Amino acid sequence: KQEVTQIPAALSVPEGENLVLNCSFTDSAIYNLQWFRQDPGKGLTSLLLIQSSQREQTSGRLNASLDKSSGRSTLYIAASQPGDSATYLCAVGGSQGNLIFGKGTKLSVKP
Amino acid sequence: SAVISQKPSRDICQRGTSLTIQCQVDSQVTMMFWYRQQPGQSLTLIATANQGSEATYESGFVIDKFPISRPNLTFSTLTVSNMSPEDSSIYLCSVDPTLPRAFFGQGTRLTVV
Repeated sequence: KQEVTQIPAALSVPEGENLVLNCSFTDSAIYNLQWFRQDPGKGLTSLLLIQSSQREQTSGRLNASLDKSSGRSTLYIAASQPGDSATYLCAVGGSQGNLIFGKGTKLSVKP
Repeated sequence: SAVISQKPSRDICQRGTSLTIQCQVDSQVTMMFWYRQQPGQSLTLIATANQGSEATYESGFVIDKFPISRPNLTFSTLTVSNMSPEDSSIYLCSVDPTLPRAFFGQGTRLTVV
């Protein structure tokens, strides 16, 4: 059974810092991996999608890497801003379209 | 991309009653998914709903408790039946991840008293 773990559970940093969020999964047979942002009352927003054959994806200040063999992914946020404050979720995708989520990392960026 | 409208956004319900949550998509999609997020927990898939066929439920979820309708390619409903306080959660619908990203509605925050 696939399990997804995210570390740390919470993180507080001053504005401008670069930071890394970690995600690990137990079964390397994944279809893809996605990073989401969850804001209260606003549902989930997909940030980056990495297909199983890819190693990384970048979007603006965000960079996500995938190492299937070790069952790990990282989300790198450069030059953090207060607007980045949210809960970040990692989810691995199966071939049937289902997503298995970690519990998330709650990020707080202080001005 | 896809725009998903989910209603209601929140509700407070009495135990023993039922609530139907609606999910409307602005484009036709093959697969729709319903998730539950219990307080402090990760999202868990309840079921997958394909138009024209019965929903497929994940382990631990049954049709009698969470009946799902999928009458067309843009709409689905999830009913939470005979509610108890343990059903207090955020319920989210999501559409076909081959779009290619998964898109989610804003969620329904349910409190059962």
